Amino acid sequence: EIVLTQSPGTLSLSPGERATLSCRASQSVSGSFLTWYQQKPDQAPRLLIYGTSTRATGIPDRFTGSGSGTDFTLTISRLEPEDFAVYYCQHYGSSPRFTFGQGTRLEIK
Amino acid sequence: EVQLVESGGGLVQPGGSLRLSCAASGFMFSSYVMNWVRQAPGKGLEWVSYITSSSHIIDYADSVRGRFTISRENAKNSLYLQMNSLRHEDTAVYYCARSIPGRGGLDFWGPGTKVTVSS
Repeated sequence: EIVLTQSPGTLSLSPGERATLSCRASQSVSGSFLTWYQQKPDQAPRLLIYGTSTRATGIPDRFTGSGSGTDFTLTISRLEPEDFAVYYCQHYGSSPRFTFGQGTRLEIK
Repeated sequence: EVQLVESGGGLVQPGGSLRLSCAASGFMFSSYVMNWVRQAPGKGLEWVSYITSSSHIIDYADSVRGRFTISRENAKNSLYLQMNSLRHEDTAVYYCARSIPGRGGLDFWGPGTKVTVSS
């Protein structure tokens, strides 16, 4: 079973700064099936990035996904006030079919 | 516009049952794999169940296998989750979510329905 570990658990930054969020898999995974979501309080998750680096429809280009093998990164180039939220990575595999990381909380410093 | 709306949540005693529904609109429901994902209070996301477009392949998380049953009615654009033998640890917001074809991600989510298992 693949385990996804996200770091840091909490990231405190100011608007305008660059955010780098990490997702590490316990074994090598296919980047085709690595996805990132954003979740704000009392809202459903929102798809940001799929296939490691493809932005979903309507996602601004300040969000960039990268990585391969066991190490994947979500970068937000210049934080906007609306970017402060919890971010989850997720992998699609065989058993279990979907695995989520524990999340990184991005908070305003 | 793609819309997914869950219903059927509520308060239920341990050992009880509940049936969740998800009404889909704005896309060809019968062509998409669908899922249930849950989130316990203050916790992260946990995938629960998966069903292919024609219901030929169904899968469950180990935590619910044997207790929960996923199904769909394509003619009614509806997804269901029958939950039996409910436990305290099943307390969560339950989301239905559409799979991205061939990509393993979930592109549209409903707002969720809250299930509380408590005596």
